[in-house]
Amino acid sequence: GAGVSQSPSNKVTEKGKDVELRCDPISGHTALYWYRQSLGQGLEFLIYFQGNSAPDKSGLPSDRFSAERTGGSVSTLTIQRTQQEDSAVYLCASSLAGSNNEQFFGPGTRLTVL
Amino acid sequence: GNSVTQMEGPVTLSEEAFLTINCTYTATGYPSLFWYVQYPGEGLQLLLKATKADDKGSNKGFEATYRKETTSFHLEKGSVQVSDSAVYFCALSERGGNNRLAFGKGNQVVVIP
Repeated sequence: GAGVSQSPSNKVTEKGKDVELRCDPISGHTALYWYRQSLGQGLEFLIYFQGNSAPDKSGLPSDRFSAERTGGSVSTLTIQRTQQEDSAVYLCASSLAGSNNEQFFGPGTRLTVL
Repeated sequence: GNSVTQMEGPVTLSEEAFLTINCTYTATGYPSLFWYVQYPGEGLQLLLKATKADDKGSNKGFEATYRKETTSFHLEKGSVQVSDSAVYFCALSERGGNNRLAFGKGNQVVVIP
């Protein structure tokens, strides 16, 4: 069946521009996560959505980062006024609700800020 | 807070050699522990997991045992193949929380024929 998909796969932007990254989770998965993978910091949690509950935004590194999840399915991560340190691979994962359920990861979006 | 520490540096070894990747953790509660693998050009995949002390996770010849007394979850494989070349990440999630994963830095494993 279809896994988690992300788009675009690669994004090159200029410093100061806004970018939007998209995640399509596995159908029926109510939990959705965004992580960031960078050379200096490794894999970091950014934000978590579960059903209609308020998202856990505790991992977002600055107020330039925001995310939404419409209709409990597709999610968009937006980075405003991008900086060079935002360059990383942004990973989305989804899972069934509840503890210990396996998170299934998408292929990621590689963001390069020039 | 929760954190995961993996041994520094890449691991290079010959085919059929024994592989060990060390992982230790710090957690405030009773976490579940995971090993994820990232093959070249592919996304992260769950390799194995253990949800309580003394549990052993196993998959594809890899094993790891949840050791509460040493707060460790070392990954082992008795005889590696070239196809095991990948980056391996140790991770934990706090039970009862939002299931967010805290990852180690990862270890690049290169298996030479």
